[in-house]
Formats: sequence, C-alpha cells, structure tokens
Amino acid sequence: ETGVTQSPTHLIKTRGQQVTLRCSSQSGHNTVSWYQQALGQGPQFIFQYYREEENGRGNFPPRFSGLQFPNYSSELNVNALELDDSALYLCASSLFAANYGYTFGSGTRLTVV
Amino acid sequence: DQQVKQNSPSLSVQEGRISILNCDYTNSMFDYFLWYKKYPAEGPTFLISISSIKDKNEDGRFTVFLNKSAKHLSLHIVPSQPGDSAVYFCAASGGAGGTSYGKLTFGQGTILTVHP
Repeated sequence: ETGVTQSPTHLIKTRGQQVTLRCSSQSGHNTVSWYQQALGQGPQFIFQYYREEENGRGNFPPRFSGLQFPNYSSELNVNALELDDSALYLCASSLFAANYGYTFGSGTRLTVV
Repeated sequence: DQQVKQNSPSLSVQEGRISILNCDYTNSMFDYFLWYKKYPAEGPTFLISISSIKDKNEDGRFTVFLNKSAKHLSLHIVPSQPGDSAVYFCAASGGAGGTSYGKLTFGQGTILTVHP
C-alpha cells in the first residue's frame, strides 16, 4: 500500500508568479484535502476534492485553486503569489466524508521571495 | 478566529514520566477529535482519536480524554520515551451533515521534548 506522495519537496518562487503543487493519493482513497501550514502554526484547511469537484473550502482567496484527476491524484495551483504564501503545503488523502483515516504527505515547502 | 487552541507551545518531560498535552476548542459543532504527531520533514501521522460520545479512548501508551462541557481534551503519554519527541497537533472535525464534516481544524501544535 503506497502512501501519499507530494512533489516537489521544495521550491522557490518570485512574488507574482504562479505555482502548481502535485499530490498522489494513497491507494484506495478517493478524497484529497489540501492544507497550508505557516511557520509555527497548525495546518489550515484550504479545500477538499471528491469526484473531481471541490467539496468544501476554507478561508482562502480564489487565487488558490485545485484539480482532482480520475486516478484521484490532485494539484494545488496558486496564482499571483504573495510573500505570505510561503508555507508548507500538505496534501491528505482519505475516504469520502471520513472523520478519520487521513494520510498526509510530507509536504511541499514553498518560499516566495 | 482560532477554534482549536493549544496554549502550551512546548513541553519538556523526563523519560519514563507522564506527558500531558492539552487542547481547547470553541466550536460546539465539533464531533470528532484527533491527535497527530509530526516529525521534521515529515507529514503529520495519526496517533489517536475520540468521538464526542466518549470521554476516554486508550491505545497502548496513549490515552485521550474529552471533557465536552469544558470543551477541553488532553493527550496522556505514559511512559514517555525519547522517540516521542515531536510536534503534537490536536485537530477537530464536525458531525455528519455539518459543513466541517470530514475537514480538520488544527491547533497550533505543542513541541514535546522527552529527555533521556
């Protein structure tokens, strides 16, 4: 059973640029959630995808968008990057509407300069 | 609005002793509570959880207590081991039918250091 894989592990972008982060779900999981973890804070829910549609969104602006593919892998896209977007981005896969059984990836460390 | 709070940024404990990590929440719609452990350069890993219909759940050295009236939960680790040194996050999720069902709200985390 494979876990959740995220790529890239690190990247540096310039303010105003766009970035795409990728996530492969754990085998058997059909739901993907994305979280942003700023330094010294807990992860914050960005949004969740199920059946290739957004199923709930946290308090993040529209320039944060996502996709889920038929194989349940997912992308997080952030447009017009700001310095405050610098954070660890975590992907978690699960079964739909499960309150438990989340498997997190190791994250992508994004630095915006 | 921080709906889940871990007011102790850090905790230092001697090996073999008990570690108690605390968490408070404000949203009465939360129905399920989880604890995650995180090592540097790794994602959070699930530790233990508790449903709001229970007040205690035990798994080996780890026990979670829930006090719904006080909106407080705690994680007890007995005995503590140096390998337990990590960041511990408390998280909460809403009940079925609610908008936060299946989505986690995390606290800020507590850094636990267990000294040999």
